[in-house]
Amino acid sequence: NAGVTQTPKFQVLKTGQSMTLQCAQDMNHNSMYWYRQDPGMGLRLIYYSASEGTTDKGEVPNGYNVSRLNKREFSLRLESAAPSQTSVYFCASSVRTGLHEQYFGPGTRLTVT
Amino acid sequence: DAKTTQPPSMDCAEGRAANLPCNHSTISGNEYVYWYRQIHSQGPQYIIHGLKNNETNEMASLIITEDRKSSTLILPHATLRDTAVYYCIVRVAGAGGTSYGKLTFGQGTILTVHP
Repeated sequence: NAGVTQTPKFQVLKTGQSMTLQCAQDMNHNSMYWYRQDPGMGLRLIYYSASEGTTDKGEVPNGYNVSRLNKREFSLRLESAAPSQTSVYFCASSVRTGLHEQYFGPGTRLTVT
Repeated sequence: DAKTTQPPSMDCAEGRAANLPCNHSTISGNEYVYWYRQIHSQGPQYIIHGLKNNETNEMASLIITEDRKSSTLILPHATLRDTAVYYCIVRVAGAGGTSYGKLTFGQGTILTVHP
């Protein structure tokens, strides 16, 4: 099993450009998550999907949209990138929400200039 | 969710046990203690969790005090690959609005394992 995979690994955008971060899991998990990690801030939840067909906002959803394409895939879109969105983005999945442990992907390092 | 306090950094010799403390003095009865770690430039990795009993798995042991106000993660035989940031997290499930089981990462403890 590959676990949780993310593409791309690195990306540089100019302010105002758009892009989609891709995430896929092969563990048949129902729930998926997007986090961002900034120095000194820990990880913060952007959006999550408790199950296929549902998505909900996390702590810092502004400037992002998500799509739960199917059970395996959960994408994060930046419609108009801003320098404040420079961060490392992690996707995670779990069997269900609640107290189930979350498994994380390797991350996408995004720089917005 | 209860706040956790961890030392910012610790050192350990390779082959020795690493004991990482965590204080969670405001923990509620329905809150679990979770440990994750993050090796440099990688995604966080789940280690272990518990409610009030001590727990052990192939990676580590978790010792929770009887009053549940603190816990210790034990890596029994630390290796250089255990050098990472270790996060102690308190989680509650199903409390209105947090049904996703909020996972809040603080600053963690930087564990450095020396040869």
